[in-house]
Amino acid sequence: DARVTQTPRHKVTEMGQEVTMRCQPILGHNTVFWYRQTMMQGLELLAYFRNRAPLDDSGMPKDRFSAEMPDATLATLKIQPSEPRDSAVYFCASAAPPQPLHFGNGTRLTVT
Amino acid sequence: GENVEQHPSTLSVQEGDSAVIKCTYSDSASNYFPWYKQELGKRPQLIIDIRSNVGEKKDQRIAVTLNKTAKHFSLHITETQPEDSAVYFCAAEGGSYIPTFGRGTSLIVHP
Repeated sequence: DARVTQTPRHKVTEMGQEVTMRCQPILGHNTVFWYRQTMMQGLELLAYFRNRAPLDDSGMPKDRFSAEMPDATLATLKIQPSEPRDSAVYFCASAAPPQPLHFGNGTRLTVT
Repeated sequence: GENVEQHPSTLSVQEGDSAVIKCTYSDSASNYFPWYKQELGKRPQLIIDIRSNVGEKKDQRIAVTLNKTAKHFSLHITETQPEDSAVYFCAAEGGSYIPTFGRGTSLIVHP
C-alpha cells in the first residue's frame, strides 16, 4: 500500500528558529499539496505543485514560509523565522489526477 | 473560486442511529466530490467519492448523494458504531483537480 511519507512526525522548536518539513509523495503522483490544520481552521491549503512546478502558494505567509520541490521524490516546506502562531499539524498530500488525494501522516509542529 | 459549506460542525448520535452530513458548493463546474474521514491524531483518508455523472453511491453502511441542480451533496452513515467517531471532510473538485474542502464535521457516536 503506497504511502505519502512525511518527516519529522513531531517537531518542537523555539520561536525564531528555522523549521524544515519534508514530504516524499507516492511514486508516480505528479501533484503535491501542503495543508495546515489547526482546531479552528480545518484544512488550510498553503501551496501546491504540479510536475514539480509551483502553481499556487497564495495561502502561505510569503515573508516566512517557502515551499519547494527539488525533485520528484521530495517536497519541502520551510518556516523562517518560526512563530508560536505557526503551531499546527502540517499535512502533505499527493495525487495523480483524476485520482483522489492521499495524505501523509503529518508533522505536528510546536513553536514555543 | 469554489466555496464549500459543510454542516453541521458537530454531530452527536447514539450507536445504531443514522448520521447525515451535508455540503453545498458554489462552482457548477465542479464534478468530483470526495469524502475524507480523519480519526483523532491521524491523517484524513478517503472513504467514498462520487462523480457528477451519478446521483448516488453506496459502500456498505455509507452512501453519498449528489444533487447537481441544487449544488449539494450529502454523506449518509447508517447503523453508526463507536468507530465511526471522527472528523469528516467533504470536498469539491473541478477541472483543475484542486479540491476545496469543507470545514469538517466532528461526529461523535455514543455507545
